[in-house]
Formats: sequence, C-alpha cells, structure tokens
Amino acid sequence: QSALTQPASVSGSPGQSITISCTGTSSDVGGYNYVSWYQQHPGKAPKLMIYDVTNRPSGVSNRFSGSKSGNTASLTISGLQAEDEADYYCNSYTGSSMVFGGGTKLTVL
Amino acid sequence: QVQLAQSGAEVKKPGASVKVSCKASGYSFTSYDINWVRRATGQGLEWMGWMSPNSGTTGYAQKFQGRVTMTRNTSISTAYMELSSLTSEDTAVYYCATYGDSYYFDYWGQGTQVTVSS
Repeated sequence: QSALTQPASVSGSPGQSITISCTGTSSDVGGYNYVSWYQQHPGKAPKLMIYDVTNRPSGVSNRFSGSKSGNTASLTISGLQAEDEADYYCNSYTGSSMVFGGGTKLTVL
Repeated sequence: QVQLAQSGAEVKKPGASVKVSCKASGYSFTSYDINWVRRATGQGLEWMGWMSPNSGTTGYAQKFQGRVTMTRNTSISTAYMELSSLTSEDTAVYYCATYGDSYYFDYWGQGTQVTVSS
C-alpha cells in the first residue's frame, strides 16, 4: 500500500487560511469516507483533528475543517495562529489496512 | 479520562527483538482496538497494525508481516508490540493508539523511542 500524497510544506501568515491536500486512489481516499487528519508538534504524540472526512472531535477548534472530492481529501485551517505550526498527516482506511500520507510541515510566517 | 501509558526507551543491537507495552486506563480495555504506529527519524507516520484486545485478533501491515507480533494481557489492560530482526531502519518512536468508533485514531500513547545501534 503506497503512502498518500501530501505537499511537503505549506506556509501562511497569521490570520490567513491554508489548505493541505491528500491524494490517494479509489482504493483508499476515494473508496471510503474514512479520512482522518492528525497534527503533530515536535516531540509530541499526534493529535486527531478531523475524522470521517469532515468531523471535528470535541475540543478541536472550528478553524479546522475537512473535505473530500474524488480521490483527494483536504484539510483547511482558517485564521492561522502561531500554535498551528506543526506537521500534519492524513490517513485513510483501505478496506484491510490504514495508510498515512507523507506529512506536511506547516510554517506560520 | 482515557490514558495510554507506554514503556520506556529501548536500545537494541541489530538482529535483536524489542517488546513495547501500552497500558490502558480510563475505559474498558476490551472495548476498543489498539493500533501501533511509528515515526522514524526524519520520516512520516507509518501504520504497523491493529489488535482486538477482546478477541486477540490481529491485522498487520504487509511491510511488517512475519516480523511483528501484537498481543495483550487483559488482566492488566496492557497491549504489547514485539518487533524482531531489528535493523537501523527500525530506529523510530513507536506509538500505540486506540481506534475510535470508525477508522481513526483518537487516543495516543506518549511514544516509546527505540534505537537500533551496534
């Protein structure tokens, strides 16, 4: 199972919005509504930000939103804040396993 | 509250095995499947497999088939991940994480650093 494709890095200024894409195939992202997104700060465990494509866990800011079109899922962060600077990973169910994206480093300028 | 407490850092020689534990608290251990995920230095997250603490059923990523074993001890609410035939490429932080109500990882352990070095 190949890793999902994410941009290596994205950046934005405080207050701006950014979108991170996550491209897979019809066997993973396109085939199931089981895409999730994780935020990881250096030295910390990953944190669930979005699950089942669009759902936000309790306690996660509504500045984070998820969507999907075909084989590509997206994470949008609006009103960027300095604390959003981190690595972000998408993940998808494949029918028999789970697969992560390669990760995207978000820099808040 | 749900907590997953992992065992401490390990240093192993190439060819050896390592066994990492993950002790669950704050919920019924047998209610949610446990996954193992690793992040090698300079790399991204990598899913290794899952285990049902209720039945002991497991499912492993193809990459680790034959080299990984996931087990549990329900009497002490603890899951284990053993990885054998270690090489330097297995140097990573290993995490346990629970499955949510569908296919996502909602609670994570703090991570266990495994270093493979001669």
